[in-house]
Amino acid sequence: GAGVSQSPSNKVTEKGKDVELRCDPISGHTALYWYRQRLGQGLEFLIYFQGNSAPDKSGLPSDRFSAERTGESVSTLTIQRTQQEDSAVYLCASSSDFTDTEAFFGQGTRLTVV
Amino acid sequence: KQEVTQIPAALSVPEGENLVLNCSFTDSAIYNLQWFRQDPGKGLTSLLLIQSSQREQTSGRLNASLDKSSGRSTLYIAASQPGDSATYLCAVSKNDMRFGAGTRLTVKP
Repeated sequence: GAGVSQSPSNKVTEKGKDVELRCDPISGHTALYWYRQRLGQGLEFLIYFQGNSAPDKSGLPSDRFSAERTGESVSTLTIQRTQQEDSAVYLCASSSDFTDTEAFFGQGTRLTVV
Repeated sequence: KQEVTQIPAALSVPEGENLVLNCSFTDSAIYNLQWFRQDPGKGLTSLLLIQSSQREQTSGRLNASLDKSSGRSTLYIAASQPGDSATYLCAVSKNDMRFGAGTRLTVKP
């Protein structure tokens, strides 16, 4: 595709429900990142995928958060038993190689937990 | 763990001024550093990428420098315009990509 695509763009969910966020990276990009951005704050690293290597999950805030990626394609970020503090914009980025190429971001998914 | 700091947190300047935004990082063993801008309610737009072997990159009115050994980068914006108003973020890449908290820039007409 032309850019990184994220869906849905907005999601309102009830506290305690599970949500699944989707990221379609740029075709051919091996590196994929997920970040969380709370209102008025910076980007908080969540997880990083690089090709077929084991993902770097060091930023996931709790075991309610998980992410998957099959090969170099779509990634899904799942939040189980959502809490109000999970409300944020979730951003995804991809790059063709994490060493010397630009990373490009999607427009994000705005998650509101009510 | 890589820590990225951006100074100042906010900056307000009159139109036409030249300005400098600062980024520092604690682990100098990086692959590259990238500057982004973020408009309110929007995603991030890449501005400049500096590879670890490079000292600077230029795009139009923007010039970014990198001093890897001292863990510093600067983003210079010449002849600022109201359309430059946004949050500017730097990110360093090693085994992942870590961001500073950003500098919120306001350029007043």
